[in-house]
Amino acid sequence: DQQVKQNSPSLSVQEGRISILNCDYTNSMFDYFLWYKKYPAEGPTFLISISSIKDKNEDGRFTVFLNKSAKHLSLHIVPSQPGDSAVYFCAASPRPGSSNTGKLIFGQGTTLQVKP
Amino acid sequence: EPEVTQTPSHQVTQMGQEVILRCVPISNHLYFYWYRQILGQKVEFLVSFYNNEISEKSEIFDDQFSVERPDGSNFTLKIRSTKLEDSAMYFCASSPRVWDTEAFFGQGTRLTVV
Repeated sequence: DQQVKQNSPSLSVQEGRISILNCDYTNSMFDYFLWYKKYPAEGPTFLISISSIKDKNEDGRFTVFLNKSAKHLSLHIVPSQPGDSAVYFCAASPRPGSSNTGKLIFGQGTTLQVKP
Repeated sequence: EPEVTQTPSHQVTQMGQEVILRCVPISNHLYFYWYRQILGQKVEFLVSFYNNEISEKSEIFDDQFSVERPDGSNFTLKIRSTKLEDSAMYFCASSPRVWDTEAFFGQGTRLTVV
């Protein structure tokens, strides 16, 4: 049951260039989307989020775009830095309601390598 | 900066033994979660906990699993009789609200069942 999919297991970019990580979802009840970054032997660290009422959210070098009609979101990192090398997880949360418990549904992750 | 802390960082146990994984969520958070990540796989939701009771659990969270908030600060995950396939990283998370906010994750406990 892959409700959140990250179809690219890995991505390699040159330092200073743009990194674009993609995520697709199938459940139209998802209303809030998040990107987490994870280093080996550490827990996921929150990066940026977007709610379904927006199509773009920007925070410094990180921008998340949401295309609701395509059920697609992407994370842009520009300029990419070697310290950005990590696994990036897309996650989704259902719309608030009687059954909403705040759980997150994660994608499989994309390993980003930024080369100096 | 407040953080979620988990102990131990690594636990090795024999199959069939009980384990308790411990977490101290961020103090003013109200919603608590356990997730796990089997090596090479995605992070999977196990259980959510609010107001001293389970609010949702996944199909992974069977009768062998239980959670408790015994003293208002700790949040524990117990596995009664561990199986080899329980080997994974277990992450505790907490959040101040149920929606429109990120969950804060601990650094994880690596559970190895031998």
